[in-house]
Amino acid sequence: QVQLQESGPGLVKASETLSLTCTVSGGSISVDGYYWTWIRQRPGKGLEWVAYIYYTGITYYSSSLKSRLSLSVDTSKNQFSLRLSSVTAADTAVYYCAKGGGAFWDGYRVWGQGALVTVSS
Amino acid sequence: DIVMTQSPLSLPVTPGAPASISCRSSQSLLHNNGNNYLDWYLQKPGKPPQLLFYLGSNRAPGVPDRFSGSGSGTDFTLKISRVEAEDVGVYYCMQALQTPLTFGGGTKVEIK
Repeated sequence: QVQLQESGPGLVKASETLSLTCTVSGGSISVDGYYWTWIRQRPGKGLEWVAYIYYTGITYYSSSLKSRLSLSVDTSKNQFSLRLSSVTAADTAVYYCAKGGGAFWDGYRVWGQGALVTVSS
Repeated sequence: DIVMTQSPLSLPVTPGAPASISCRSSQSLLHNNGNNYLDWYLQKPGKPPQLLFYLGSNRAPGVPDRFSGSGSGTDFTLKISRVEAEDVGVYYCMQALQTPLTFGGGTKVEIK
């Protein structure tokens, strides 16, 4: 049973870079076809898909965030990471990592518990 | 980007009564493989979302059969045949046809 756990600073200063890591346990990140994804939720708001990465390093980003966003994967550590630069208060959110896809699309079945990141001025 | 629109925003329900949530997409989610790339998720308070349905009508493991997902193209519906207290939360649809994936705004289901 794959499990995901987000980690990273809970407080980031405005204009700096937000960095989060998702550690995958109970399975390998290097399985073909899975989309290792970041989804965020601003306080009191809905879900916002941010980006995903394949284990090969291929990435797809949100249209609104792609100029500030970078995803990476470390197969040796079974982790994938997010970096969001030039953050503002609008980037304050709970950031979830999730696993989706497979041989065919079968939804985001596995989610981390979420990491609250607050951007301070 | 594909825009997802859900209605209603809020849905007060009586236990044991049926409930229905609508989700519409700004373009067809029907792939040429015959599948509609539409998921449904439920987010209970303080928890990450949980998958209810994928590809429109495929129930995720562990989801009670009082839940059903239907629709095709641009119009989709999530139905609960008899609402139970544990069904409260915010329901989201999400399109997975093309990147960026996009969510609907959510429907909050609460018990009257």
